[in-house]
Amino acid sequence: GAVVSQHPSRVICKSGTSVKIECRSLDFQATTMFWYRQFPKKSLMLMATSNEGSKATYEQGVEKDKFLINHASLTLSTLTVTSAHPEDSSFYICSAPTGRAGELFFGEGSRLTVL
Amino acid sequence: DAKTTQPNSMESNEEEPVHLPCNHSTISGTDYIHWYRQLPSQGPEYVIHGLTSNVNNRMASLAIAEDRKSSTLILHRATLRDAAVYYCIPNRDDKIIFGKGTRLHILP
Repeated sequence: GAVVSQHPSRVICKSGTSVKIECRSLDFQATTMFWYRQFPKKSLMLMATSNEGSKATYEQGVEKDKFLINHASLTLSTLTVTSAHPEDSSFYICSAPTGRAGELFFGEGSRLTVL
Repeated sequence: DAKTTQPNSMESNEEEPVHLPCNHSTISGTDYIHWYRQLPSQGPEYVIHGLTSNVNNRMASLAIAEDRKSSTLILHRATLRDAAVYYCIPNRDDKIIFGKGTRLHILP
């Protein structure tokens, strides 16, 4: 079964609203989680590193005020897309380390559609 | 991060072996070579990784060149379920950067 779970798997929202996506590690703790976005037919792009109990580290070009990341517990990280626009429509994927360097568990992904 | 070169796409017949190549000539000595795959509309999944020696697991085999500048992922008997994008990723920590990968098509 899945060891990293995302919710919701699909969400549709109106422009200007905010959407929260949850990423949970099941049966293990993750002090670090990673958030990616993926446009159709494109590869995954790393957005940010979520750190439990501290601020997230964002990749260059990713707006931290637009993509709010919170990692309040060792099993939950959330990504909130604020004031969503149609161009934010994408497949958002989170991952968590297994403890073996470079091996990650990935969530099933959350498909966001902004109307 | 080491740069990788993979074919954009490959085709294989079902139940035949598939060899997916990857060039990573700028790999550093401490980088592992990881392979992930992404099935349609799903998150990526770990396939295999290695450092210097060839590796086998239930999903695939990984053949690593002696100079470590290239590697080949081997699916011994492809099934339709193996149709996916395969990513070769040299790295040494948990922050994984994905390249473009190889889209593998399996013909029934």
